[in-house]
Amino acid sequence: NAGVTQTPKFRILKIGQSMTLQCTQDMNHNYMYWYRQDPGMGLKLIYYSVGAGITDKGEVPNGYNVSRSTTEDFPLRLELAAPSQTSVYFCASRDGLGGNQPQHFGDGTRLSIL
Amino acid sequence: GEDVEQSLFLSVREGDSSVINCTYTDSSSTYLYWYKQEPGAGLQLLTYIFSNMDMKQDQRLTVLLNKKDKHLSLRIADTQTGDSAIYFCAESIPGSARQLTFGSGTQLTVLP
Repeated sequence: NAGVTQTPKFRILKIGQSMTLQCTQDMNHNYMYWYRQDPGMGLKLIYYSVGAGITDKGEVPNGYNVSRSTTEDFPLRLELAAPSQTSVYFCASRDGLGGNQPQHFGDGTRLSIL
Repeated sequence: GEDVEQSLFLSVREGDSSVINCTYTDSSSTYLYWYKQEPGAGLQLLTYIFSNMDMKQDQRLTVLLNKKDKHLSLRIADTQTGDSAIYFCAESIPGSARQLTFGSGTQLTVLP
């Protein structure tokens, strides 16, 4: 089972460049999330989506954009990369049918902005 | 406000029990989770507990919840070197998206 797949696994960007982090899941989950993890810190929620066409801001949305045109895909866009966005980014998905359904995580994208 | 706190480091000897502690602040939390993160990998769900339970046991893992003190613990029996990882506790906030608030993680090191 593929689960949650993130691409790329690693990327180095220059300040001011843009890129899209891809996330796709094959579990037909309605809920999807983007987190960032800074060294020695827990995960902070950037954006989330409760279904195709619906997105909302999390705790740290500045500098990012998302879209959710299909159930499977939830890309995260960085328009003007800044050093503060150097982090590990995790995508997660969840089945919305039951309150006890856990979030399933991808393996992460390690992004460095130089 | 929402805040989840964990101690940063724990070292144990192989074969001993490990206890990782977590405190949370949101009394409306419905589910509390423990995730494991190995180096270079994503988060793997270990176990979870519903807020109306005191304890949950799953093989070598025992979760204890003290709702009055907002304290959660994860006990790993017979800790092995393969258990070395970062352990995150997370609380699920009621709402349309059931967002998770994570602690900063506890780095467990198992010594031979």
